[in-house]
Amino acid sequence: KAGVTQTPRYLIKTRGQQVTLSCSPISGHRSVSWYQQTPGQGLQFLFEYFSETQRNKGNFPGRFSGRQFSNSRSEMNVSTLELGDSALYLCASSLDTLNTGELFFGEGSRLTVL
Amino acid sequence: AQSVSQHNHHVILSEAASLELGCNYSYGGTVNLFWYVQYPGQHLQLLLKYFSGDPLVKGIKGFEAEFIKSKFSFNLRKPSVQWSDTAEYFCAGVQGAQKLVFGQGTRLTINP
Repeated sequence: KAGVTQTPRYLIKTRGQQVTLSCSPISGHRSVSWYQQTPGQGLQFLFEYFSETQRNKGNFPGRFSGRQFSNSRSEMNVSTLELGDSALYLCASSLDTLNTGELFFGEGSRLTVL
Repeated sequence: AQSVSQHNHHVILSEAASLELGCNYSYGGTVNLFWYVQYPGQHLQLLLKYFSGDPLVKGIKGFEAEFIKSKFSFNLRKPSVQWSDTAEYFCAGVQGAQKLVFGQGTRLTINP
């Protein structure tokens, strides 16, 4: 059974640009969550999608957005990139219809903003 | 706001030492608690979980955790660590259909 797949794995952008990250969940999983991981802040919740609807949202500015498609694949977008957006962005999927917290994580997309 | 806190940022032990990593949560009522582990160069994976019932839960690789409601704690333990336990450990909690909230993480270094 394939795991959670995130693309791209690494990318470098400059300030002011935008970026789109993609996540393919485990087959059959309908919930996709996104987290930002940095050494100083740990894992910060961005948002969660379930059946194409945003079910939960973290405390990030509107520059961070996401969506989920009918096949459960998800994308997140960051516009007007800032240096502080440099981080590992993790996607996680879940089978549960209610968020019981048992997540399966991908390896992440490491974004560097110059 | 609901939160999870881990007070040990970096723990260094020798092989065969006993391990206890602290985790405290601020939720009231029913809460599901987890420990996740991130080995060097690998993705986060579930170590163990507590939903209800026996407050002492056992996970993979000999880890266990005890849920103590009166102390709002869910500490991770292992009686004898190995070099391969070197990793970052994250405690997490969720209530109902809310978001899963992670602690800051504890980096564990095991010296051979």
